[in-house]
Amino acid sequence: SAVISQKPSRDICQRGTSLTIQCQVDSQVTMMFWYRQQPGQSLTLIATANQGSEATYESGFVIDKFPISRPNLTFSTLTVSNMSPEDSSIYLCSVEVWAGPYGYTFGSGTRLTVV
Amino acid sequence: GQQVMQIPQYQHVQEGEDFTTYCNSSTTLSNIQWYKQRPGGHPVFLIQLVKSGEVKKQKRLTFQFGEAKKNSSLHITATQTTDVGTYFCAGRYRDDKIIFGKGTRLHILP
Repeated sequence: SAVISQKPSRDICQRGTSLTIQCQVDSQVTMMFWYRQQPGQSLTLIATANQGSEATYESGFVIDKFPISRPNLTFSTLTVSNMSPEDSSIYLCSVEVWAGPYGYTFGSGTRLTVV
Repeated sequence: GQQVMQIPQYQHVQEGEDFTTYCNSSTTLSNIQWYKQRPGGHPVFLIQLVKSGEVKKQKRLTFQFGEAKKNSSLHITATQTTDVGTYFCAGRYRDDKIIFGKGTRLHILP
């Protein structure tokens, strides 16, 4: 299965600022996925990032708030812009591995607290 | 719309007791995946079920996919403290969309 390095692992940010989360995969993947997990809750897909094209956002998430970059097949960033306390959550990147029944591999997550 | 319901939300069991979590979709799934998330950790893939009526086992864990491919269950036999965590199902639909259940948080009482 793939190995994903995600950073930062946690951050405390002031409201109104932005935070960029990075994910590096140890193999080339077509799609990378960004999820949000609020404390004690399930995973909600924010967007799907394809290399060379604009990310596809799920209902309730917009590019201005969560801009995504995907410069190559092993790397992606998610920015949480103009943060408010409601953005406090865990953000996870993920890839789907097709070589064998490995399902989705997740990064270790970024625990964001907005104060 | 597409929705995956998962119950129970929480389960406390004595160590050694069995545990089961259930997932149900209102529409047919292409496949269903199961994940485990330890406290403070990230979801880790356990298994994928694809065929109608499929049953797979991993040591003390038994996974089932319903005949209609709308429901699934995860059963743990003789729970151990290492089983603590939240178990999520994730249903994949024909449009390739994946929806996660809300998860079942398992607590083990020693």
